[in-house]
This record gives sequence, structure tokens and C-alpha cells, in this order.
Amino acid sequence: NAGVTQTPKFQVLKTGQSMTLQCAQDMNHEYMSWYRQDPGMGLRLIHYSVGAGITDQGEVPNGYNVSRSTTEDFPLRLLSAAPSQTSVYFCASSLTGTGVINEQFFGPGTRLTVL
Amino acid sequence: ELKVEQNPLFLSMQEGKNYTIYCNYSTTSDRLYWYRQDPGKSLESLFVLLSNGAVKQEGRLMASLDTKARLSTLHITAAVHDLSATYFCAVPLPEGGATNKLIFGTGTLLAVQP
Repeated sequence: NAGVTQTPKFQVLKTGQSMTLQCAQDMNHEYMSWYRQDPGMGLRLIHYSVGAGITDQGEVPNGYNVSRSTTEDFPLRLLSAAPSQTSVYFCASSLTGTGVINEQFFGPGTRLTVL
Repeated sequence: ELKVEQNPLFLSMQEGKNYTIYCNYSTTSDRLYWYRQDPGKSLESLFVLLSNGAVKQEGRLMASLDTKARLSTLHITAAVHDLSATYFCAVPLPEGGATNKLIFGTGTLLAVQP
């Protein structure tokens, strides 16, 4: 199993550009989520999904869109990049439900710089 | 609003010494997760604590959970340089159902000096 994969590893954008960060998992996990990590702030939840066709907002959703058309994929779209979106982005997945450990597995991350 | 606080934020310690990292959280939760992150890398799961009084040990690290005090500790015994990393605790929001939303602490940067 590849686990959770993310592409690209690095990206530089200009203000106003749009792009999609890709995330895929091969563990048949229902739950997938996107976090951003900024120095001194830990990880903050952007969006999450509890299954195909179901998404919801986390702590910091503004400026980002998500969709979940399959169990495996959960792309994150930046609509119009801003310097404040410079960050490291992590995708994570887990099983869900009661009686399940719900341990989240993280992808390798995407380092995004917005100029 | 769930808040998760870790202390210390930075810990410099000598090899061979013992120390404890603390994780306090502000609302009821029956589980807590500890992760390790090496510089420039992703997060690696260390411990999953599932109930009050849970204790897990792996090598020189031992984690415990007191849900009544809303406190988890990560104890380091006889530190070695390889343990240098940032350690995060995370608590799930008490929403139940299928969500698994985690709130992370700000992390503790551990530097073990020879």
C-alpha cells in the first residue's frame, strides 16, 4: 500500500493564480481531511470529508474548495492564491465510526509559496 | 471551543536525562493522539490513547491519559539524540458520529543535546 500520497511536493504561485493540490489514499478510508501547518500554530483543519459526496468546513476554510467524488481522492483547490496561503499542506485519512481507533495517517505534505 | 495546549513549546535537554511534555485540553474527550514530526517531514503516529488511565510505551517514550484532569503526558526516559523532533498531541472534537476532526496542540520542539 502506498498509504496517503500528495502531489506536488513543492509549488510556487503568483498572487491570484489558482491550483489544485492532489491527495489520494489506498486504504479504503472513509474520512479524509486537509490541514495547513504554519510556524508556531500547529495544524489547522481546512476541510474534511466523511465519504464520497460529503464534505464540510473545518477551522480555516476561506479561500479553499474541496470535492470528494471517489473514496480514494480528495483534492484541495485554491481559488485565487494569496500570500497568506503560503504554508505546508497535509492531507490525512482514517477509518470512522464508533469502536474504531480512527487513527489518522498523514501524507508527505505540499510546500506552497505564494508570491 | 476546544483548545489544546502543550508545554513546554521548546525543550532542550541533554542525552540521558528524563523529561515530560504536557498536553492539556479544554473539553471532554475519551481519546488523544500523539504524533512526531521530523524537520521537513510529515507526521508519524506515536500513540493512540483510548480511555482514562491508558498508558502506552514505545522505547524511551511513554504516554498516559487522564480524561478527568483533561491531561496527557509524554514522558521521555534517558533521552537520545534520535528523539529530537517536534511532538504534537491532538484531541478529537466531541461531535460523535462519523467525523474525526482533530484539534492539534501547537507542538513541542525537542532538541536533545549530546
